Amino acid sequence: DAGVIQSPRHEVTEMGQEVTLRCKPISGHNSLFWYRQTMMRGLELLIYFNNNVPIDDSGMPEDRFSAKMPNASFSTLKIQPSEPRDSAVYFCASRRRGQTNEKLFFGSGTQLSVL
Amino acid sequence: KQEVTQIPAALSVPEGENLVLNCSFTDSAIYNLQWFRQDPGKGLTSLLLIQSSQREQTSGRLNASLDKSSGRSTLYIAASQPGDSATYLCAVPTGGGNKLTFGTGTQLKVEL
Repeated sequence: DAGVIQSPRHEVTEMGQEVTLRCKPISGHNSLFWYRQTMMRGLELLIYFNNNVPIDDSGMPEDRFSAKMPNASFSTLKIQPSEPRDSAVYFCASRRRGQTNEKLFFGSGTQLSVL
Repeated sequence: KQEVTQIPAALSVPEGENLVLNCSFTDSAIYNLQWFRQDPGKGLTSLLLIQSSQREQTSGRLNASLDKSSGRSTLYIAASQPGDSATYLCAVPTGGGNKLTFGTGTQLKVEL
């Protein structure tokens, strides 16, 4: 199993530009989570999906952030327009749906720098 | 609101030493608790998941304990090695069990 795959690994962009982060969850996992990690706030849950449906997006900081999951094997997190304070590592994670006692598997993250 | 705290924030020990990492949580009504490891520039790897009905869970040199009533968990690492150097985070489910709330982590360095 290839694990959770995220792309790109690194993204450097200028303020105001659109940024799209991508995630492929583990096959058979139908819960998908987007987290953001910063030194100041640690790991924060932004949004999660069950069976491609967004369940809780209360962690999405602003309307500039949006996430989609068009099918079971792909999700995107978009920031438009990006700002320097969005600089962070963004992680995608997946788990079998409804299994709160299952382990959560993380991707390697996307290091985002907004200049 | 569930709050998860880890102490110490950083720890440096000589190789071979046994050590304990601590995790505290404010709401004892949890389903389970997970311990993760994060290497620099990498994602998180789940090490152990201890169910609310369990008191201990072991994997190799790692042993996690859970005391729900006191809101505490410990991760015991036996005979530490330089390869154990990483940040260790604990996490508990919140929001009906679907979300994980993470602690701030303990950065461990095992020196030769």
